[in-house]
Amino acid sequence: DTGVSQDPRHKITKRGQNVTFRCDPISEHNRLYWYRQTLGQGPEFLTYFQNEAQLEKSRLLSDRFSAERPKGSFSTLEIQRTEQGDSAMYLCASSPQSGGDQPQHFGDGTRLSIL
Amino acid sequence: DQQVKQNSPSLSVQEGRISILNCDYTNSMFDYFLWYKKYPAEGPTFLISISSIKDKNEDGRFTVFLNKSAKHLSLHIVPSQPGDSAVYFCAALREWGSNYKLTFGKGTLLTVNP
Repeated sequence: DTGVSQDPRHKITKRGQNVTFRCDPISEHNRLYWYRQTLGQGPEFLTYFQNEAQLEKSRLLSDRFSAERPKGSFSTLEIQRTEQGDSAMYLCASSPQSGGDQPQHFGDGTRLSIL
Repeated sequence: DQQVKQNSPSLSVQEGRISILNCDYTNSMFDYFLWYKKYPAEGPTFLISISSIKDKNEDGRFTVFLNKSAKHLSLHIVPSQPGDSAVYFCAALREWGSNYKLTFGKGTLLTVNP
């Protein structure tokens, strides 16, 4: 049983650098979500894909952030010109096509640290 | 504005006793409520959910109760086990369009003492 896979698990970079994270969802899931979690907070929604279409972006997602899901399979989240405030855990989740009673399954996240 | 609130940052119980984790929400349009458990260095793991048209859902040692009039839900764990020690997140979603994004509370750290 392969769950949601995220890579890398940890990323340390200097302020101003670009970073890219990858998420591989559960294979039969066509919905994919990105969340961000900071210390002492619950995960916060960033963006959502249904297949390859990015259907919603949160106001938290500034223009330095871009996400893609080519071919409706894996997804990437890129942060350009990183800032200290970008330090967080970035979580990916996936769920099946059907309704809200199908829970989202999360990966173990990518922890980003900005020096 | 925090739509999902978990007002207790932490809870400590003895093994074998009941753990009760609470959650309040402000948006009456939420359709489902979910509980996730999170261990350190891992992603949240789905535990149990309840539809807004139900008032109780049970799965083994876990029961979720929903009081719509009070906009309050609770997770009961009976009996509590040391392996239940984790951060528990309450989450809610609204079936609007096709984006079933989750709105999370800040979490409650449960410690079950042997």
